Amino acid sequence: NAGVTQTPKFQVLKTGQSMTLQCAQDMNHNSMYWYRQDPGMGLRLIYYSASEGTTDKGEVPNGYNVSRLNKREFSLRLESAAPSQTSVYFCASSEVPAYGYTFGSGTRLTVV
Amino acid sequence: GQSLEQPSEVTAVEGAIVQINCTYQTSGFYGLSWYQQHDGGAPTFLSYNALDGLEETGRFSSFLSRSDSYGYLLLQELQMKDSASYFCAVQGSNYQLIWGAGTKLIIKP
Repeated sequence: NAGVTQTPKFQVLKTGQSMTLQCAQDMNHNSMYWYRQDPGMGLRLIYYSASEGTTDKGEVPNGYNVSRLNKREFSLRLESAAPSQTSVYFCASSEVPAYGYTFGSGTRLTVV
Repeated sequence: GQSLEQPSEVTAVEGAIVQINCTYQTSGFYGLSWYQQHDGGAPTFLSYNALDGLEETGRFSSFLSRSDSYGYLLLQELQMKDSASYFCAVQGSNYQLIWGAGTKLIIKP
């Protein structure tokens, strides 16, 4: 019973490179989320998907795109990485919106 | 605007009781959640209050007063493993959770 699985766990990118962060959940949850967490700060919502087939912007969507591939998978893409996107990225899922999130273990991304 | 305020750091002694407060200002309110995050780890869900009052789950309790826009997390019989950051989060009028900046709980032996 894996819960929420994120890959990769660590990544270093050069400015301007692109990459996709993968997230999959095996709990049959409807809602999925991507957050970033900067040192000493709370979580900021990048994008979310309330249900399969829908995606919406969160608080800090600029520079990111998402795809809800199916009910299980929700990916986050950085098209042209910038140093300001250095952060820890968490994927989460929940059965109902905004309640009882289960988080993945995070992706530590450094953009140089 | 929407905001949550919680203390940045709280220190307590092993075996004692500690309370972490959270005040919020949001447009719309559907519930207050608490999450625990150990250093280098992912947040884990602790509790949720939609109605006024106290919810108890083992050594942890969470309280909500909607009229005061205030809640707290109470940790009893503190153990060293409770050293972590604790985040309050409010469910607003859309699907988004609004998160506090977190309270680092330091436990001394």
